[in-house]
Amino acid sequence: DQQVKQNSPSLSVQEGRISILNCDYTNSMFDYFLWYKKYPAEGPTFLISISSIKDKNEDGRFTVFLNKSAKHLSLHIVPSQPGDSAVYFCAASLVGTASKLTFGTGTRLQVML
Amino acid sequence: NAGVTQTPKFQVLKTGQSMTLQCAQDMNHEYMSWYRQDPGMGLRLIHYSVGAGITDQGEVPNGYNVSRSTTEDFPLRLLSAAPSQTSVYFCASSRTGGTTEAFFGQGTRLTVV
Repeated sequence: DQQVKQNSPSLSVQEGRISILNCDYTNSMFDYFLWYKKYPAEGPTFLISISSIKDKNEDGRFTVFLNKSAKHLSLHIVPSQPGDSAVYFCAASLVGTASKLTFGTGTRLQVML
Repeated sequence: NAGVTQTPKFQVLKTGQSMTLQCAQDMNHEYMSWYRQDPGMGLRLIHYSVGAGITDQGEVPNGYNVSRSTTEDFPLRLLSAAPSQTSVYFCASSRTGGTTEAFFGQGTRLTVV
């Protein structure tokens, strides 16, 4: 039972354009959502998060949108850069339980020159 | 500061052998967790701890033991290694409180033959 789903295994985007990565969840109890970026042979690194009381959070080139009614969130990267090429994981948890993250399967983003 | 440190980075075990994966953090975080990452499955929670002396099972705990005698260390023990435990293992730590992110180590790639 996959509670957090990333249905696109891969995405290719031209440098300078927008990258949109999507994530769906089924457990309505989740109230905190995070995006992690992972390079090969490294651990995941935190990118951006959003609480369920918000519908948008921005940090520089990265924006996360949350649609609670649709149980859907998306990560927008504008403009995309070659260094953004990595695997992106969506994760969800309950507030106060950062030790228990439920991850999606990841989307591999390739930003082309 | 080192953050979350995992040792070893690589390990090959024979079926039936036991070993301990080490994890240490220097951020004085109360929460620590172990995840495994398998191809196409994202990261799955094995065990977690909300403080010294307190541990609990995650999604895939079978075949693994943990203990937490100090805030800094959270070792993961494989009691009798099986080929199904071939995976990349990540340790993570996080602060207590509401909306916090988890910080990950660089991972241990384990192969059981």
